[in-house]
Amino acid sequence: NAGVMQNPRHLVRRRGQEARLRCSPMKGHSHVYWYRQLPEEGLKFMVYLQKENIIDESGMPKERFSAEFPKEGPSILRIQQVVRGDSAAYFCASSRRTSGSIDTQYFGPGTRLTVL
Amino acid sequence: KQEVTQIPAALSVPEGENLVLNCSFTDSAIYNLQWFRQDPGKGLTSLLLIQSSQREQTSGRLNASLDKSSGRSTLYIAASQPGDSATYLCAVFRDTGKLIFGQGTTLQVKP
Repeated sequence: NAGVMQNPRHLVRRRGQEARLRCSPMKGHSHVYWYRQLPEEGLKFMVYLQKENIIDESGMPKERFSAEFPKEGPSILRIQQVVRGDSAAYFCASSRRTSGSIDTQYFGPGTRLTVL
Repeated sequence: KQEVTQIPAALSVPEGENLVLNCSFTDSAIYNLQWFRQDPGKGLTSLLLIQSSQREQTSGRLNASLDKSSGRSTLYIAASQPGDSATYLCAVFRDTGKLIFGQGTTLQVKP
């Protein structure tokens, strides 16, 4: 059973370009979470998605950032018009989230975004 | 607002020592608490998850305790080894499912 997969592992963009980060959850997991780790800072929650639904986006910056988890395919975190401050490691986690319980989140290896 | 604090921020010990990492949280209304390990440039590995109704969990040389009333958790590592060198993160769950992380404790175990 493959773990959470993220690609690309490293992404370099110039200011003003778009960044697309992909996350494939573990098999059987329908809940996806995105976290960001800025240099010298802890991990911060960004968004929580189920298939085709955004459940909690309280940690997402109001502008330039969006996330989706379509019925088919991976979850995508999209950053438009990137700025240097977006340089960070972006982690995706997935869980089975059985009804009535909070399930363990399993993390992917992360995508390290560098904005030049 | 839930805040999670980990002390110390960094720790260096000789191989073989037993050690304790501390985690405190401000809001005791949590569902559970999870300890992770992060190696440099890598993702997170889940070590232990403690449900809010439990007091401790054990896995090999690791033991994690939880005291909700005082807002504290400890991770005990027995007989530390150089391979234990990493950053250890604690995170709490609220009912929304999102994890709130502490800043981490960076551990170095010297051979």
